[in-house]
Amino acid sequence: SQTIHQWPATLVQPVGSPLSLECTVEGTSNPNLYWYRQAAGRGLQLLFYSVGIGQISSEVPQNLSASRPQDRQFILSSKKLLLSDSGFYLCAWSAGAGTEAFFGQGTRLTVV
Amino acid sequence: GESVGLHLPTLSVQEGDNSIINCAYSNSASDYFIWYKQESGKGPQFIIDIRSNMDKRQGQRVTVLLNKTVKHLSLQIAATQPGDSAVYFCAENRNDYKLSFGAGTTVTVRA
Repeated sequence: SQTIHQWPATLVQPVGSPLSLECTVEGTSNPNLYWYRQAAGRGLQLLFYSVGIGQISSEVPQNLSASRPQDRQFILSSKKLLLSDSGFYLCAWSAGAGTEAFFGQGTRLTVV
Repeated sequence: GESVGLHLPTLSVQEGDNSIINCAYSNSASDYFIWYKQESGKGPQFIIDIRSNMDKRQGQRVTVLLNKTVKHLSLQIAATQPGDSAVYFCAENRNDYKLSFGAGTTVTVRA
């Protein structure tokens, strides 16, 4: 069966510090991978998605970047965090267009 | 921007009653819809999906209805239980790899 791992679960970082959140998927090949952000009490905003190694699509201009160095690894990064980067970050995978997405357990990021 | 929205941000329901959560979408090209359940501090969990060539689909205690004429989607939960308390999201896909989410409805089950 397929599983998705996302870590860390919580993170407190000072303003201006770098960020690296990692997500890996097991049990499937060539998944579509996604990073979402969820502000408190809000819906999910798509940040990035990837349909293959090295292929990254950005949905909104922001202080973050994403990379996919391996087929089942998706990384969310920032060189310098802003207070507004605080939120709940979710990684997800799907088998293709028009299929359901499966989510990791999320990372609660607090920038102080 | 988002093309999917929910009618009500909160819903309070008596344990044992049926729940109905509504969602409206604006893009007539959308062809795949999903309902997710999110418990506090966790990632969303898939509940049920429906494609645009259907108007009803049933799962265990849940039913999704799709009305393409008015671009409306609903999730019905039968015999609501305390474990059903969560935030429920509808999501839309236009066969382009991206899921767009609504803002969510918080369901609270009263004992």
